[in-house]
Amino acid sequence: GAGVSQSPSNKVTEKGKDVELRCDPISGHTALYWYRQRLGQGLEFLIYFQGNSAPDKSGLPSDRFSAERTGESVSTLTIQRTQQEDSAVYLCASSFVLVNQPQHFGDGTRLSIL
Amino acid sequence: SQQGEEDPQALSIQEGENATMNCSYKTSINNLQWYRQNSGRGLVHLILIRSNEREKHSGRLRVTLDTSKKSSSLLITASRAADTASYFCATDQIYSGGGADGLTFGKGTHLIIQP
Repeated sequence: GAGVSQSPSNKVTEKGKDVELRCDPISGHTALYWYRQRLGQGLEFLIYFQGNSAPDKSGLPSDRFSAERTGESVSTLTIQRTQQEDSAVYLCASSFVLVNQPQHFGDGTRLSIL
Repeated sequence: SQQGEEDPQALSIQEGENATMNCSYKTSINNLQWYRQNSGRGLVHLILIRSNEREKHSGRLRVTLDTSKKSSSLLITASRAADTASYFCATDQIYSGGGADGLTFGKGTHLIIQP
């Protein structure tokens, strides 16, 4: 596609529910990244994929968070048993390779936990 | 993880003036990147400067990098109302294994251009 696409753009859910966020990277981009941005803050790195492999999951905030990627295509970020502290904008980015390349961002999913 | 720090946190100037934003970081890096974020949108990449470069230009943007001081600056010349946005620096860090993963972002500078 022309750019990184994320869905849904907004998600409101009750505390304790599971949510799944989707990211479609730019075609041909091998690297894919997930970030979290709390209101008025910078971006907090969560996880990256090189192809469908995620070598380092230590950036995920808790074991309620998990992520998958199918080949060099779609990725999903799943948050189980959501908490109010999970409320944030979740941004996805992709790039051709890992090093010395700009990252191209989607517009994010705004997640609100009631 | 280490975090970049932008300075100032907020900047308000008149249209036509130049805007300068600074960024400091803590670790060795492969490169430093500047991004712009308009309200409610994702980040847009502006400039990438590699660790062996000292200055880079792109249109009205000028970025400097001083690796000895672990700092960078972003200069926007002849500012326009459309430049109003948040600006973030992000470092692509070198880890001991020689690889790199996600970017490390600062909290950003909120720039307001008064028409």
